[in-house]
Amino acid sequence: EPEVTQTPSHQVTQMGQEVILRCVPISNHLYFYWYRQILGQKVEFLVSFYNNEISEKSEIFDDQFSVERPDGSNFTLKIRSTKLEDSAMYFCASRDTHVNYGYTFGSGTRLTVV
Amino acid sequence: GDSVTQMEGPVTLSEEAFLTINCTYTATGYPSLFWYVQYPGEGLQLLLKATKADDKGSNKGFEATYRKETTSFHLEKGSVQVSDSAVYFCAFSNTGKLIFGQGTTLQVKP
Repeated sequence: EPEVTQTPSHQVTQMGQEVILRCVPISNHLYFYWYRQILGQKVEFLVSFYNNEISEKSEIFDDQFSVERPDGSNFTLKIRSTKLEDSAMYFCASRDTHVNYGYTFGSGTRLTVV
Repeated sequence: GDSVTQMEGPVTLSEEAFLTINCTYTATGYPSLFWYVQYPGEGLQLLLKATKADDKGSNKGFEATYRKETTSFHLEKGSVQVSDSAVYFCAFSNTGKLIFGQGTTLQVKP
C-alpha cells in the first residue's frame, strides 16, 4: 500500500535555529498538508498546498513557517527560527482529488526545541 | 466555527466489552466524516469513513454511521481487544482540510 514518508523521525534543535521537515507524499496525490500535534493535545491544521501554492493556512502558520515542493516529489516544512512552543509532532498528509477517498498520513516527525 | 467534539477520555474497558466513542460535529454543508486511530508511538491511520448521510463506515469490527439530523458520527465496536488500545480521532472535511476532535484514549485491559 502506498505510504507517505517523513524524515527525520525525531529532530532536536536549539531555540532560534532553522529546521526543515521533509515529506514524500504518495506519488499521484495532488493535495498536501502539514498538521501538528502538541503532546497530548489535538491534531491541528497548519497548511494545505495544491498546484505549487498554499491553498489555505491556519493562524498558527505565521511568517516563521514556509512550505515548498522543490522537486515534484518532496514536500517540506521550514521553521525559520524555532521557539520552545514549536515542540510537537508534525504530520504530513496527502490526498487524491476527492476528499471522500481519505487522507494518508505519514508517521510524523517529533520536533523537540531545547 | 467548524469543530468536532469527542467524548473525553480515557476510556478503560475490559477485553470483549462493547465500545462507544461519541463524536459530534459543527460544520456547514455536507462534510465527509472520518475516524482515525493513533497507536502508541505511531502516526495517524484511517480507520473508517462515511461521505453522506446514513452511510455506515466499517473496518476491523469498528462501525460508525453518519447521522446528519444529530450531526453525529459515533464509533462503536462490539467486542474490543487489548490490541485496540490507542487514541481515536474523529474528523471531518468540508473544504479540503481535515478538522480533528481532541482525541479519545482507549485502554483495553485483559
